[in-house]
Amino acid sequence: KAGVTQTPRYLIKTRGQQVTLSCSPISGHRSVSWYQQTPGQGLQFLFEYFSETQRNKGNFPGRFSGRQFSNSRSEMNVSTLELGDSALYLCASSFGPPTPARLKLRAFFGQGTRLTVV
Amino acid sequence: DQQVKQNSPSLSVQEGRISILNCDYTNSMFDYFLWYKKYPAEGPTFLISISSIKDKNEDGRFTVFLNKSAKHLSLHIVPSQPGDSAVYFCAARPTSGTYKYIFGTGTRLKVLA
Repeated sequence: KAGVTQTPRYLIKTRGQQVTLSCSPISGHRSVSWYQQTPGQGLQFLFEYFSETQRNKGNFPGRFSGRQFSNSRSEMNVSTLELGDSALYLCASSFGPPTPARLKLRAFFGQGTRLTVV
Repeated sequence: DQQVKQNSPSLSVQEGRISILNCDYTNSMFDYFLWYKKYPAEGPTFLISISSIKDKNEDGRFTVFLNKSAKHLSLHIVPSQPGDSAVYFCAARPTSGTYKYIFGTGTRLKVLA
């Protein structure tokens, strides 16, 4: 079973540009969440999607947006890039919203997209 | 406001000994806690979790302890192996039915052979 696939793995963009990152969840998974990892800040929650609907959003400016398609694939977009947006962007997938069943409480992470803004 | 804190950025332990990684949290509404392990150039990998209604959960060499009164979580690895060298993140879930995890900043564990 293929894992969570994120593309591209590495990206270099110029300040002011926009970028779109893609995430393909594990087959059968319908929940996708996004995180930003920067040195010293750990992983910061960006958004969570289930069945094409955004269920939760983190404390990020409106330049950060996302969406989920009917096949559960998800994209996130960052407009007007700033130097501080340089980070590892991680996508995680799960069957659906957590239930009392133990296995469904786990989110599986992809390898991430390393974004560098210059 | 860091709701989940890992105050030790790094830890070195001798192979075969116990590794203890600590995590403190401030929000008493967290109902589920997880530990993830991360190697360089890879995404975080789930390690072990614990519900707020329990105080201990074991899985092989890994045991997680939860002290709700102290709002403290710890991960014990016994015995430690060189392959355990990685960054360990603790995470908490603020409400049920969501994957909106709040992560700590991580502790880099180095197991010395």
